[in-house]
Amino acid sequence: GQNIDQPTEMTATEGAIVQINCTYQTSGFNGLFWYQQHAGEAPTFLSYNVLDGLEEKGRFSSFLSRSKGYSYLLLKELQMKDSASYLCAVRRNSGNTPLVFGKGTRLSVIA
Amino acid sequence: DVKVTQSSRYLVKRTGEKVFLECVQDMDHENMFWYRQDPGLGLRLIYFSYDVKMKEKGDIPEGYSVSREKKERFSLILESASTNQTSMYLCASNSSPGTVKSYEQYFGPGTRLTVT
Repeated sequence: GQNIDQPTEMTATEGAIVQINCTYQTSGFNGLFWYQQHAGEAPTFLSYNVLDGLEEKGRFSSFLSRSKGYSYLLLKELQMKDSASYLCAVRRNSGNTPLVFGKGTRLSVIA
Repeated sequence: DVKVTQSSRYLVKRTGEKVFLECVQDMDHENMFWYRQDPGLGLRLIYFSYDVKMKEKGDIPEGYSVSREKKERFSLILESASTNQTSMYLCASNSSPGTVKSYEQYFGPGTRLTVT
């Protein structure tokens, strides 16, 4: 089966750094995605990793270790607007296969 | 800007009714998807389509069917709505592998369906 695990909830302080972890066990791997979803809204694409290492995009970075089946999303200089759910998803092969999503991590940023 | 639109943001239907949820994308994407999202369960794939008139079952297709008569439109049909189909329904699309940014999947705003 496909298994993607991430913490259910996290809380962090405005201005701080937070790391959201994701571990996966899937039949095949061809990329890991992070999406942000504000309450009542559609998920929006944040990042994509297919090779090991860190991808940085402004305040957000995403890391992948394929040998460990592990990724994290790092959010720096947290702002209140970063309060949202963060979804980890895996694409299992290079063909036309849908993403498999984790259940999401709800992040609350507090003052 | 890619746009994925869904016919309704909120919908209330009665048990046993036939329900149509429409999704339209304007980026000429080949692939389209229907998910439902429930608290504690995350996003679960119902059906997807790689081309016009093609459809594939996802993880939870029971009680649903789909239609893709035109490339830009993907419809989700609840043949006889039941209360356990009360959920948020999200449509998404992306382009085929090998095209620019094919990895990015774009979501519509969602339809919150309540079946009473």
